[in-house]
This record gives sequence, C-alpha cells and structure tokens, in this order.
Amino acid sequence: DAGVIQSPRHEVTEMGQEVTLRCKPISGHNSLFWYRQTMMRGLELLIYFNNNVPIDDSGMPEDRFSAKMPNASFSTLKIQPSEPRDSAVYFCASSLKGTPTSGELFFGEGSRLTVL
Amino acid sequence: AQSVTQLGSHVSVSEGALVLLRCNYSSSVPPYLFWYVQYPNQGLQLLLKYTTGATLVKGINGFEAEFKKSETSFHLTKPSAHMSDAAEYFCAVQGDEKLTFGTGTRLTIIP
Repeated sequence: DAGVIQSPRHEVTEMGQEVTLRCKPISGHNSLFWYRQTMMRGLELLIYFNNNVPIDDSGMPEDRFSAKMPNASFSTLKIQPSEPRDSAVYFCASSLKGTPTSGELFFGEGSRLTVL
Repeated sequence: AQSVTQLGSHVSVSEGALVLLRCNYSSSVPPYLFWYVQYPNQGLQLLLKYTTGATLVKGINGFEAEFKKSETSFHLTKPSAHMSDAAEYFCAVQGDEKLTFGTGTRLTIIP
C-alpha cells in the first residue's frame, strides 16, 4: 500500500527561481497538510486542506508561498520567487476523516529544498 | 491555544539503559497527545497517542508514555534502549484540527 508520495526528494535552485513541490496523499485520505522543517524553527504547519479545500493557511510565511489541491490525489506547494531562507525540508502529510482527531498523520519522506 | 515543550534537545543513553524523553503540554481543553519518531532522511511516523481512557499508553518498538494531568506531562519511556532507537522524537498536541509539534529531542544511543 503506497504511502504519501512527495517529489522531488531534493531540489537545488537559485534565488529568484520558482519552486514547485508535489504531493500525492494516501488514497482515501481527505485531509492534507504541508509542513516545513528547519533547524531554527522546527516543524511548522504551513497550510492544510480538508476535502481539497484550504482550511487554514495562517502558517504560510508570505505571499511568495501558495498551495493548491485541485483534486483528492494531488497537491502542490509553490514558492515564487524563492529565497535562501526558504531552504528547508518540506513535508506533506495526509490523514483520514477531515481532521486529525486520531492524530495519526502519515508523512511523506519530504522534499529537501536548497536555495542558493 | 495548545503547545508542547520538550525538555532537552539532545539525550544520550547507553544501550540497554532506560530511555526517558520529557514533554509538557499546555492546553485549555482535555488534550490529545502524541509522540512521533523521525529517522534520518525520513518523514515522521506515529509512535503512540493518548486521546481518552487509560493514561498509560503503549506504542510501537517497546515505547510507552503516561499522561499525567496534574503535572501536564506526557513523558516517553522505554525500559531498555536499542541502537535502532537512535532518532529524533517529537511530542505533539492536537488543537482544533491541527497538530502542534514540539521542537524535538534527538536521541543518541551509546554502544
């Protein structure tokens, strides 16, 4: 049974370039979360979706960040333009029933972004 | 708002020794609490969770945690550390529909 699939696993880009990270949640899950992990800030929730609808994007750092979920099996996180401070590991996670009431988030392996 | 505090960003124990990772929470409502583990270059995976009922919760890989309301704590323990336990451990509390994670504790096992 496939878990959460993220791509790319690693991305190195130059400041000012557009970055698109992709996520395929577990089939049947209807909540999707984007987290960012850095040494300085730890794990930060950026945005989450229930049934493909963005519920809370208060964690999105600024307008350079945007996320979409056009259908139940795909989501993107876009950074445009990218900056060196965006360098981090970005995780996608999915869960069942619209809220993590069981708390069991299933995480992908992450996308490690380096912005030079 | 809910929050968790993990005491000690790094913990080292000898193989076979007791593992104790500390977590204190703050919550205005009865909390749902979780421990996740992250192995190098991987995502997080659930170790155990407390929602309601029994305050001593058993998880995978021999870990357990006890919910103590009077101490607002949810410490993670394992009687005997194994080399494979080396990882980063995150405590988390559920608020609304979101999980708020602690800053993590990196566990090192000394052979």
